[in-house]
Amino acid sequence: GNSVTQMEGPVTLSEEAFLTINCTYTATGYPSLFWYVQYPGEGLQLLLKATKADDKGSNKGFEATYRKETTSFHLEKGSVQVSDSAVYFCALKSGGSYIPTFGRGTSLIVHP
Amino acid sequence: NAGVTQTPKFQVLKTGQSMTLQCAQDMNHEYMSWYRQDPGMGLRLIHYSVGAGITDQGEVPNGYNVSRSTTEDFPLRLLSAAPSQTSVYFCASRPDSDANTGELFFGEGSRLTVL
Repeated sequence: GNSVTQMEGPVTLSEEAFLTINCTYTATGYPSLFWYVQYPGEGLQLLLKATKADDKGSNKGFEATYRKETTSFHLEKGSVQVSDSAVYFCALKSGGSYIPTFGRGTSLIVHP
Repeated sequence: NAGVTQTPKFQVLKTGQSMTLQCAQDMNHEYMSWYRQDPGMGLRLIHYSVGAGITDQGEVPNGYNVSRSTTEDFPLRLLSAAPSQTSVYFCASRPDSDANTGELFFGEGSRLTVL
């Protein structure tokens, strides 16, 4: 079956530090890959996505590249802000399944 | 732009009481689903629906019922609440056309406490 593994948190950084949150997956076929963000007290919202190998998704300074050879979709940002403090979920959706697969989420805390 | 609307946002129940969490979307999405979110457990799928009149169980369906009489609405019913059902509940939907990549649209959540 499909699975998503992401690094456990919390990840604690100072403002303007470089961020990497690792995500690896196992899936049948060629899934679409997603990063969702959940700000405190809110629902999840899509941050970025990639639908095929070597695609790079980007949004709000965050980037992730679909690496089929390493089955990875790591999230990066060059300079984090306090407002980036949130929980980040890596997820995938295979064409053959209705149900998406989520990682357990990684909490990011950014200090001024 | 309403999107996915969940009500109520907060609810406190006593053990054994029943209640319904409401979810409505105005985007004509075929697929709708309910998740619960607990500390350290991530998101766990309770039930989902691929269209009006069609529902199926997810990972943790026990203690919950759903129905899908219209495309817009997907209520989640707790028939006899238990403290283990204390959680934050999220409704999510998406279109299921061939062009869709699978992005889910989430509601803001309903925080339920069972005493």
